[in-house]
Amino acid sequence: DQQVKQNSPSLSVQEGRISILNCDYTNSMFDYFLWYKKYPAEGPTFLISISSIKDKNEDGRFTVFLNKSAKHLSLHIVPSQPGDSAVYFCAASARASGGYQKVTFGIGTKLQVIP
Amino acid sequence: EAQVTQNPRYLITVTGKKLTVTCSQNMNHEYMSWYRQDPGLGLRQIYYSMNVEVTDKGDVPEGYKVSRKEKRNFPLILESPSPNQTSLYFCASRSRRDSFSDEQFFGPGTRLTVL
Repeated sequence: DQQVKQNSPSLSVQEGRISILNCDYTNSMFDYFLWYKKYPAEGPTFLISISSIKDKNEDGRFTVFLNKSAKHLSLHIVPSQPGDSAVYFCAASARASGGYQKVTFGIGTKLQVIP
Repeated sequence: EAQVTQNPRYLITVTGKKLTVTCSQNMNHEYMSWYRQDPGLGLRQIYYSMNVEVTDKGDVPEGYKVSRKEKRNFPLILESPSPNQTSLYFCASRSRRDSFSDEQFFGPGTRLTVL
């Protein structure tokens, strides 16, 4: 049972245009959402996050939108650059036993930005 | 430099031969985790540790062991590896905080092949 779903395994975008990566979740107990970026042969690196009490968080070219009623979040990259080509993982966390904040990851979306 | 290191980066072994993948972080983080990444399945948590001598199972713990004798180290042990444990493994760490923030720092990954 996938609690965090990234339904698009890949996405191609022209340089300078907007990239929109989508993520859906099923667990209403998730209270924090994160995006990680992963280049080949490297570990994932944190990109941006959003608390469930907010609907938007912006950091430079990256903006994450959260629609709690639809259990949907999206990552917007504007403008897209070739260096943004990577796999993007959506992740969500909820408090588990002992106060541990357990994180669940999606399967990832491979973004290719075409020069 | 703040980092999570893993060794080895690449390993080819045979079924049943015990192996250990080491993980070390220099950020004094309380929380550490092991994940495996498989095509179409994303990142799945194997085990996590909330502090020294405190470990718990993640989503896919079968066939794995961990220990946390020191705060900085969190080795992953495969007592009797099998081919279905062929995967890309990531160690991650993060600080325990009062907030919901859950940014994790990942190691570079260990590519394991079990023949």
